[in-house]
Amino acid sequence: QKEVEQNSGPLSVPEGAIASLNCTYSDRGSQSFFWYRQYSGKSPELIMSIYSNGDKEDGRFTAQLNKASQYVSLLIRDSQPSDSATYLCAVEGDSSYKLIFGSGTRLLVRP
Amino acid sequence: EAGVTQFPSHSVIEKGQTVTLRCDPISGHDNLYWYRRVMGKEIKFLLHFVKESKQDESGMPNNRFLAERTGGTYSTLKVQPAELEDSGVYFCASSQDLGNTQYFGPGTRLTVL
Repeated sequence: QKEVEQNSGPLSVPEGAIASLNCTYSDRGSQSFFWYRQYSGKSPELIMSIYSNGDKEDGRFTAQLNKASQYVSLLIRDSQPSDSATYLCAVEGDSSYKLIFGSGTRLLVRP
Repeated sequence: EAGVTQFPSHSVIEKGQTVTLRCDPISGHDNLYWYRRVMGKEIKFLLHFVKESKQDESGMPNNRFLAERTGGTYSTLKVQPAELEDSGVYFCASSQDLGNTQYFGPGTRLTVL
């Protein structure tokens, strides 16, 4: 079982729709959770971090965390073609500051 | 404020040769991390420096890889001798304090022929 699992996609949504990206993780001791966006050939860029159960909103982005289900998600409202990228879920372990990444979900926003 | 920089952006070498990758973290960031992504796989942690000390090198694949951070500023990652399976993108990241956001560099794409 992979430590952090994501559907590779591509997830295709029309412009203006809500894109929902999901991630599950295996280490119950994980404390910190991150969503990075990566455009092709570019570096991963942090867009959201979440540390406690519930929702965290930042502009068009909402991160949701459910530690009991070991599940973290990212919602992108009013999706734009510029949101087309690979979204990486990353988890920080309880005994180390290294990030454990999922393989990423490719999002395509159709104009 | 300058971001994390990496050099070179792309390196093509033959199997058995040596390559040295460089990372300059954001100024003032004591924590420096190396990660790599090999073809079709997820980004994986290699090691973590706190200033000049190796805090965690559990992800280093074997003794062909040597990372240094003399003086606690920039870091180098040397692969000697390179093997075909070392091909991939090597990312460096830095953070100001432990647990803070890790900012990633653009990566070095290594191709071993």
